[in-house]
Amino acid sequence: QVTLKESGPVLVKPTETLTLTCTVSGFSLSDDRLSVSWIRQPPGKALEWLAHIFSNDKKYYNTSLNSRLTISKDTSKSQVVLTMTNMDPVDTATYYCARSNVAAAGIYFFDNWGQGTLVTVSS
Amino acid sequence: ELVLTQSPGTLSLSPGERATLSCRASQTFSSSFLTWYQQKPGQAPRLLIYGTSTRATGIPDRFSGSGSGTDFTLTISRLEPEDFALYFCQHHDMSSWTFGQGTKVEIK
Repeated sequence: QVTLKESGPVLVKPTETLTLTCTVSGFSLSDDRLSVSWIRQPPGKALEWLAHIFSNDKKYYNTSLNSRLTISKDTSKSQVVLTMTNMDPVDTATYYCARSNVAAAGIYFFDNWGQGTLVTVSS
Repeated sequence: ELVLTQSPGTLSLSPGERATLSCRASQTFSSSFLTWYQQKPGQAPRLLIYGTSTRATGIPDRFSGSGSGTDFTLTISRLEPEDFALYFCQHHDMSSWTFGQGTKVEIK
């Protein structure tokens, strides 16, 4: 059974750095068909993709947030970590990690999601 | 930067009716790269359709996807009570992923 679980602080202060961990089970982060993204959703709003990491450690970031984001993984611990610097109240959102799978060359989709963790940015 | 625009914002329908959701892209792309998700309140999104028209495992055949170029459609042939939810389209190009703003299907 595939599961992903996000963990991290529920409350951060403006200007602080947020660190979120996604712990996965039921698959390996070294499987080259699989990769992981972080995605967020402000209350009542749309989904926003943040960052992605492949099994070969290739990383991609949302260009509008690029300078604030870092994604990494520890395959031995089955964890993917996202850090976001200089947090602001507009960053208040539910943060999800999601597994990307591939059906054929170039056809990727998020087939498993964590439950999400609500992070509030407030002083 | 590619933008996905979903319409309508809200669709008010009755159970048994047909729902047609639109996703329009700001630039053309391969239909392989269009995905649909369903999200219910308090839950994570759920994969519905990938590659524009391939249903994910366990998705009932009342859900279908179509389209090409810049115009894509999710159709629910006969709405069941559990289908009233929020729907997102999404594009990827291997280095970035973009979501539409969503269409809410609500009970009329």
